[in-house]
Amino acid sequence: AQTVTQSQPEMSVQEAETVTLSCTYDTSESDYYLFWYKQPPSRQMILVIRQEAYKQQNATENRFSVNFQKAAKSFSLKISDSQLGDAAMYFCAYRSDTGANSKLTFGKGITLSVRP
Amino acid sequence: EPEVTQTPSHQVTQMGQEVILRCVPISNHLYFYWYRQILGQKVEFLVSFYNNEISEKSEIFDDQFSVERPDGSNFTLKIRSTKLEDSAMYFCASMEDSVGNQPQHFGDGTRLSIL
Repeated sequence: AQTVTQSQPEMSVQEAETVTLSCTYDTSESDYYLFWYKQPPSRQMILVIRQEAYKQQNATENRFSVNFQKAAKSFSLKISDSQLGDAAMYFCAYRSDTGANSKLTFGKGITLSVRP
Repeated sequence: EPEVTQTPSHQVTQMGQEVILRCVPISNHLYFYWYRQILGQKVEFLVSFYNNEISEKSEIFDDQFSVERPDGSNFTLKIRSTKLEDSAMYFCASMEDSVGNQPQHFGDGTRLSIL
């Protein structure tokens, strides 16, 4: 079974600064997908960024980028130019690359606070 | 942008009662999911549903739980006889298909409180 570990329960960043949220995972599969979801206090989980394991290039979405290290099974999220609206819970998630096993396996999440 | 909608937003139920949580997935999506998040803990997978049947379920999803897609738009989670430990936030999600890096789209959740 796959596991996802987010070992930092909380992080804080100054507005306009950069912060990196860590995530590691364990799997015996070679093809899979990784996601970061954001859960603001309004509760709905919103997709931030996604990465295919077969792609060596790190995904980027505006101020959000990932550092995907397949051999190390590491998938960290970098938020540049942090904004107050980035304050939320962030979840790292894993999905197998098979139609039958399409569930997401989540980490425990990390609470990010942004200081003005 | 299309959204997954869940009702009610908060449900308070006496222990032992049946509860039905409702979800309307995004209309062209084919895969449907229920997850739960006990306060302060990680989001846990309960069940996935495709082609009108359960495709996968976790050990949490025991005989007290069932899912249905009764009319082609709603997707419901029923808990037959609720226990205190069923208190959690329940999230519905849907996905267009399983090809590629399709994300799952989540609803706002239903907070279930068992008294």
